[in-house]
Amino acid sequence: GENVEQHPSTLSVQEGDSAVIKCTYSDSASNYFPWYKQELGKRPQLIIDIRSNVGEKKDQRIAVTLNKTAKHFSLHITETQPEDSAVYFCAASKTGGYQKVTFGTGTKLQVIP
Amino acid sequence: EAQVTQNPRYLITVTGKKLTVTCSQNMNHEYMSWYRQDPGLGLRQIYYSMNVEVTDKGDVPEGYKVSRKEKRNFPLILESPSPNQTSLYFCASSLEGWDSPLHFGNGTRLTVT
Repeated sequence: GENVEQHPSTLSVQEGDSAVIKCTYSDSASNYFPWYKQELGKRPQLIIDIRSNVGEKKDQRIAVTLNKTAKHFSLHITETQPEDSAVYFCAASKTGGYQKVTFGTGTKLQVIP
Repeated sequence: EAQVTQNPRYLITVTGKKLTVTCSQNMNHEYMSWYRQDPGLGLRQIYYSMNVEVTDKGDVPEGYKVSRKEKRNFPLILESPSPNQTSLYFCASSLEGWDSPLHFGNGTRLTVT
C-alpha cells in the first residue's frame, strides 16, 4: 500500500521567513496530493492541493511543487505570519473506488513574532 | 451551512462499554470516512464508505464497526472499547472520491479508562 513520509516533524521560523515542508510517497499511481492545516483544537482544513498532471500550484503565499519522478512534493509558505502556526499534513491518494487516503505524520510549524 | 457534524465532541467511557460516535453531512457527498489522530502518527484511516451500504476497511479497522444506511450518516461503533482506542477521531466526507478534498467534522476526543 501507499506510504507517505513527511519531514520535518517540527519547524520554527521567524515571522517573515519562508517555511518548506517535504513529503515523499511510494505508490507511483497516486495522482492527488492535498495539504491540510490543523490549528490547535480544530479540524484539518484543505489549504492547497495538486494533481499529478501539474508540477506546481500557487495560491498567494502558499505553493506546492510535485516531482513525480522522485515521488516527492513540498509545501512552501512565504512571508510567514503568526497565524500560519499550526500542524500541516500532506496526503496522497489515487482515483478509483476502493482506494484510501494516506496521510503523512504531520509538521508542527511555529512562526515566532 | 455546508458541514460535517460529529457528536459527541468529548467522551469518557470505561473498557467494554459499547459506544457510538455519530457523523452526519449535509452536502450530499458520496464518500465518507473515519480517521483517528494520535501524536506522531498523523491521521490514520479506520473505515471508509463510497455509497450507501458500501463500506470497507482502512488501515486500522480492528475494534471498530461502521454502517452506511443513509447517504448523510456514517456512525462509528466501538462494540467493546479498550484503552488503546483512546484517541481523537475525525469523520470526513468528499464529493467526488478520494482524489478530491476532504471535509472534516470537528472531531471527537475519546478517552477509554
